[in-house]
Amino acid sequence: EPEVTQTPSHQVTQMGQEVILRCVPISNHLYFYWYRQILGQKVEFLVSFYNNEISEKSEIFDDQFSVERPDGSNFTLKIRSTKLEDSAMYFCASSSRVAGQETQYFGPGTRLLVL
Amino acid sequence: SQQGEEDPQALSIQEGENATMNCSYKTSINNLQWYRQNSGRGLVHLILIRSNEREKHSGRLRVTLDTSKKSSSLLITASRAADTASYFCATKLKNRDDKIIFGKGTRLHILP
Repeated sequence: EPEVTQTPSHQVTQMGQEVILRCVPISNHLYFYWYRQILGQKVEFLVSFYNNEISEKSEIFDDQFSVERPDGSNFTLKIRSTKLEDSAMYFCASSSRVAGQETQYFGPGTRLLVL
Repeated sequence: SQQGEEDPQALSIQEGENATMNCSYKTSINNLQWYRQNSGRGLVHLILIRSNEREKHSGRLRVTLDTSKKSSSLLITASRAADTASYFCATKLKNRDDKIIFGKGTRLHILP
């Protein structure tokens, strides 16, 4: 069964450093998402992406964040200058949104720790 | 209540018993999904129920949706130790195409 993959599984970085989190969505999906989950808290929406542009973003997704689909398979989340409060599990998701297939399928996550 | 709020927050039952978790929401939805998360791991999609559906089954899972009460329930029958996890409902709002909104989850613990 096709699945969303994410790399790396864990990332430790120093405050102020840039990080890039990578995702490979399911191959025939056209809609891509990033969510995050701070330890012990609920999963929060960050951004959705379709047709090479952001379709919706939350207030969390400020100027420090950016997303890109650099080629036909990868979808990346960049945090330009990490803060301590960016420490969280980051989940990528994708969906086809064809009628009857609205499910968002999530990757295993990247655990980011900012020191 | 918040959009997508589960109860109870935590539930411990004996293996073999049925587990019921509830989700309430505030705003009209397009669909509601249930996900499972093992400790510190990814989100596994369990089942999606649309706003025009009342009940869905998948193996040992049964989901109901009552749009008049803005609530859903997830029933796991004949629970197993492997069902120990956190369970989240996530709602997709009507007329909104993108994000799904997660609740805080129910932590389910199956006792051997």
